[in-house]
Amino acid sequence: DAGVTQSPTHLIKTRGQQVTLRCSPKSGHDTVSWYQQALGQGPQFIFQYYEEEERQRGNFPDRFSGHQFPNYSSELNVNALLLGDSALYLCASSLRADGTDTQYFGPGTRLTVL
Amino acid sequence: GESVGLHLPTLSVQEGDNSIINCAYSNSASDYFIWYKQESGKGPQFIIDIRSNMDKRQGQRVTVLLNKTVKHLSLQIAATQPGDSAVYFCAETRVDTGFQKLVFGTGTRLLVSP
Repeated sequence: DAGVTQSPTHLIKTRGQQVTLRCSPKSGHDTVSWYQQALGQGPQFIFQYYEEEERQRGNFPDRFSGHQFPNYSSELNVNALLLGDSALYLCASSLRADGTDTQYFGPGTRLTVL
Repeated sequence: GESVGLHLPTLSVQEGDNSIINCAYSNSASDYFIWYKQESGKGPQFIIDIRSNMDKRQGQRVTVLLNKTVKHLSLQIAATQPGDSAVYFCAETRVDTGFQKLVFGTGTRLLVSP
């Protein structure tokens, strides 16, 4: 049973560029959430996708956008990258009908913006 | 704003000791709490969860205690092992809103000496 997978593992971009990160949820899960984790901090919620729609969003600018596909996988897009966007981006999946909505995390994508 | 705070940034223990990691949460409406373990270079790993209608829940070598009166959560690890060395996060959320985001604190680093 595959857990949550993310790609790529590491990424280096320059200011102003755009980036796309990918996530495949745990088998059987239908909900994907994205988090940003700065060094030495706890993860911060970006948004959550269910049934291919953004259902809830944290305090992140519109430069952060996402998508969920019919197979429940998801992408996180960040436009006009800033130095402060350097962080570990985590994807978490859960099962909507589970009730507890326990979220299971992937290994993350380390994004460095130069 | 929303926050989940932790009392101690670093906890050092000897192998075999019992460890207690504390967490204070600020949102009295939160009804579901989760402890995660994060090892260096990895995503958060689910340890144990507890709903607000419970005050104690036990797992394998771990126990979570919830005191809603003072909005306090603790994670107890019995017979701590070197492999328990990691950063531990508590996270809170509201299940009744349907789509929930996890609110994390900054974490407590647990160092286990042989």
